[in-house]
Amino acid sequence: AQSVTQLGSHVSVSEGALVLLRCNYSSSVPPYLFWYVQYPNQGLQLLLKYTTGATLVKGINGFEAEFKKSETSFHLTKPSAHMSDAAEYFCAVSGAAGNKLTFGGGTRVLVKP
Amino acid sequence: GAVVSQHPSRVICKSGTSVKIECRSLDFQATTMFWYRQFPKQSLMLMATSNEGSKATYEQGVEKDKFLINHASLTLSTLTVTSAHPEDSSFYICSARYGGGVTDTQYFGPGTRLTVL
Repeated sequence: AQSVTQLGSHVSVSEGALVLLRCNYSSSVPPYLFWYVQYPNQGLQLLLKYTTGATLVKGINGFEAEFKKSETSFHLTKPSAHMSDAAEYFCAVSGAAGNKLTFGGGTRVLVKP
Repeated sequence: GAVVSQHPSRVICKSGTSVKIECRSLDFQATTMFWYRQFPKQSLMLMATSNEGSKATYEQGVEKDKFLINHASLTLSTLTVTSAHPEDSSFYICSARYGGGVTDTQYFGPGTRLTVL
């Protein structure tokens, strides 16, 4: 069984500032981890994923995430926030790459000019 | 690549009617598709896993006779909400499984907003 906890349902950042979204997971098997972004009234877009290998994963739009097994974390970061980053972000885990996903509660990002 | 579409994007219906939502993988074949439901300001909840040529697997608490799923081809899965009621109003999102092995990933459709009056 898997579960995901996203710390902070809302995050407010200034344009140009660091974006940090926290995700902790639990899994009884080696996890496959994902970050998705959702814009209003739209589906989810894959930002990045971790399956095996390098623990620092780079994704689209300047985002990256680091898998830390000892901390059971997969936090998402972006060095400099852009207004277009305002959206809802979901962390998800599965027991294998294509199997069903378990989502966290989501974090809504607000970017202030 | 890996584009998933949904139709319709928005539907309003009267209570008691049935509504069909289509999910298509446009540029790849998907033996497995997933259907999710999302309430306002909440996360996605998996409803069922749709496998081409076989019966769908429903999550606990999801009524299979109310939410009919058909995966008739490798590029199309449909979700039919039967005898819809206002409490069925929600945002329904499908995803399709693409790739193989460690490249296996779910790609999501744009969602369908259902409003039952």
